[in-house]
Amino acid sequence: NAGVTQTPKFQVLKTGQSMTLQCAQDMNHNSMYWYRQDPGMGLRLIYYSASEGTTDKGEVPNGYNVSRLNKREFSLRLESAAPSQTSVYFCASRLGQGGQPQHFGDGTRLSIL
Amino acid sequence: AQSVTQLDSQVPVFEEAPVELRCNYSSSVSVYLFWYVQYPNQGLQLLLKYLSGSTLVKGINGFEAEFNKSQTSFHLRKPSVHISDTAEYFCAVRFEGGGNKLTFGTGTQLKVEL
Repeated sequence: NAGVTQTPKFQVLKTGQSMTLQCAQDMNHNSMYWYRQDPGMGLRLIYYSASEGTTDKGEVPNGYNVSRLNKREFSLRLESAAPSQTSVYFCASRLGQGGQPQHFGDGTRLSIL
Repeated sequence: AQSVTQLDSQVPVFEEAPVELRCNYSSSVSVYLFWYVQYPNQGLQLLLKYLSGSTLVKGINGFEAEFNKSQTSFHLRKPSVHISDTAEYFCAVRFEGGGNKLTFGTGTQLKVEL
């Protein structure tokens, strides 16, 4: 039982490059979340998805896009990476729609030079 | 303004000693309160939550927290810590009317020493 799986675990990008962070859950959860974690700031919600095909902006959506094409997967895309997006990114999920996340992935550590 | 504060960035404690990690919030509306734990290189795990009812909430791994509305606090406690409790602990608050937004504190690093 894998839970929430994020790929890649580590990535280094140059400013202006694009990339997609992948997230998949095998618990048949409805809600999925993307957070970023920065030193001294706790976690901040980037985007949220209550179900397949629906997404909502969180606190810090600028510079990111998301896609929830099916129930299992929720991807986060950086179209043109900036150094300010250097962070640790966490995907999370929840069985119900709405409320707090229950399960988190192990994170993707992203550095943008 | 609605906010969450964890005043202690680091708390060192000896094994088998008690510990309290502090969390305070500021809000004019009702709140739902959570504590998460993060072990090195892992995601967060939900320790416990207060939604309603009894103000003393028990969670996993022997932790408990008490909701104090008059002091706007939700401190986390454990009577006897173990080396394996070394981790970072995050307090989080969902404010009524805030939708799915969960506001996290900045975290407290608990270091248990022999």
